Amino acid sequence: DAGITQSPRHKVTETGTPVTLRCHQTENHRYMYWYRQDPGHGLRLIHYSYGVKDTDKGEVSDGYSVSRSKTEDFLLTLESATSSQTSVYFCAIAGRDPSYEQYFGPGTRLTVT
Amino acid sequence: GQNIDQPTEMTATEGAIVQINCTYQTSGFNGLFWYQQHAGEAPTFLSYNVLDGLEEKGRFSSFLSRSKGYSYLLLKELQMKDSASYLCAPEDTDKLIFGTGTRLQVFP
Repeated sequence: DAGITQSPRHKVTETGTPVTLRCHQTENHRYMYWYRQDPGHGLRLIHYSYGVKDTDKGEVSDGYSVSRSKTEDFLLTLESATSSQTSVYFCAIAGRDPSYEQYFGPGTRLTVT
Repeated sequence: GQNIDQPTEMTATEGAIVQINCTYQTSGFNGLFWYQQHAGEAPTFLSYNVLDGLEEKGRFSSFLSRSKGYSYLLLKELQMKDSASYLCAPEDTDKLIFGTGTRLQVFP
């Protein structure tokens, strides 16, 4: 299994609070991705990174920001959580060539009340 | 625009063969991935097609036609553990575009 972890694994928070999710890899892969998965929508890309300090927006980036100050860590921040951001969040990593398969972390279940 | 279309649900019997189809339209295309996802778990890689044709890997095979924007995943000798969602994901430049997935239920 690829060395990829996510923390926390579960979180319940209140509307309006900031939340940061962490993705950590030990594979030294260049690419890292944040997805959310909701019933009826499948996996949707939020943000991704193609190197340290290099990030780009995905399909559903509004309300989210990311940072990557080290190769191994990719942080996803919800500046002010809303109930519509209740979801399961997956991090994924990919090797030097983005045509290589993406390996997914175990996921974080976030509930915003 | 970008669009991935695959059936929402399929059922099959243990020991049978099932084919899950996927049609796609993306602005760019490098290749196509299939992932398996069991309920409550992360997706795991099954196959990758970059050239037209069939790629076989054990009980699973995947086919791609770039000109038709079409792929299928073929599962043979179905087992109960194959009950899962199967995600079609065309690769557009350096991103994967995921469909909503096909939920396959295998019955004894």
